[in-house]
Amino acid sequence: DVKVTQSSRYLVKRTGEKVFLECVQDMDHENMFWYRQDPGLGLRLIYFSYDVKMKEKGDIPEGYSVSREKKERFSLILESASTNQTSMYLCASSLSGKGGLGYGYTFGSGTRLTVV
Amino acid sequence: GNSVTQMEGPVTLSEEAFLTINCTYTATGYPSLFWYVQYPGEGLQLLLKATKADDKGSNKGFEATYRKETTSFHLEKGSVQVSDSAVYFCALSGSSARQLTFGSGTQLTVLP
Repeated sequence: DVKVTQSSRYLVKRTGEKVFLECVQDMDHENMFWYRQDPGLGLRLIYFSYDVKMKEKGDIPEGYSVSREKKERFSLILESASTNQTSMYLCASSLSGKGGLGYGYTFGSGTRLTVV
Repeated sequence: GNSVTQMEGPVTLSEEAFLTINCTYTATGYPSLFWYVQYPGEGLQLLLKATKADDKGSNKGFEATYRKETTSFHLEKGSVQVSDSAVYFCALSGSSARQLTFGSGTQLTVLP
């Protein structure tokens, strides 16, 4: 069964810490995405990547960075965690191109991050 | 640009009731349309999809028909169960886009 795996389901970090959220997919997908989900705000795109070492800003990139050194792995980095980054973080992947997107995304199970 | 408008929630139904969650979209060209479901504490799972006009996607008793003339993709189920309680997201992939566009999600609660 194809999978997107997020390294942690629950994470508690302190304000000011550098936080790494890891996402690995085993489907050889070109595209990978990071979203955050907050009550009443739906899904908001943070960053995405269409290829190794490529990254593009989404709608809310401030306070975040990403790394994609290998095709299967896409990391989200909170440079200095703040309480307003407490959220559910969702990773997703997809094939590229119009035909690829026609299959939709595969999502990971999410990481619920609490910053105290 | 592309957009998806979903029925406002939350929606509360009794078990065995009929479900409709409305979804309309704006997109150029011929998008593919999706419904995702998110159970409590989980990520999103693809529920069903349709890639061209008049296609009907179906899965687990849920159905949605791609209606180009009304730019709609409403989700329906004839008899809901308590286990269907979840958040449902409508989404589209536009012909020139490289990402999915999501609706805001509709919370469904089914009471026994």
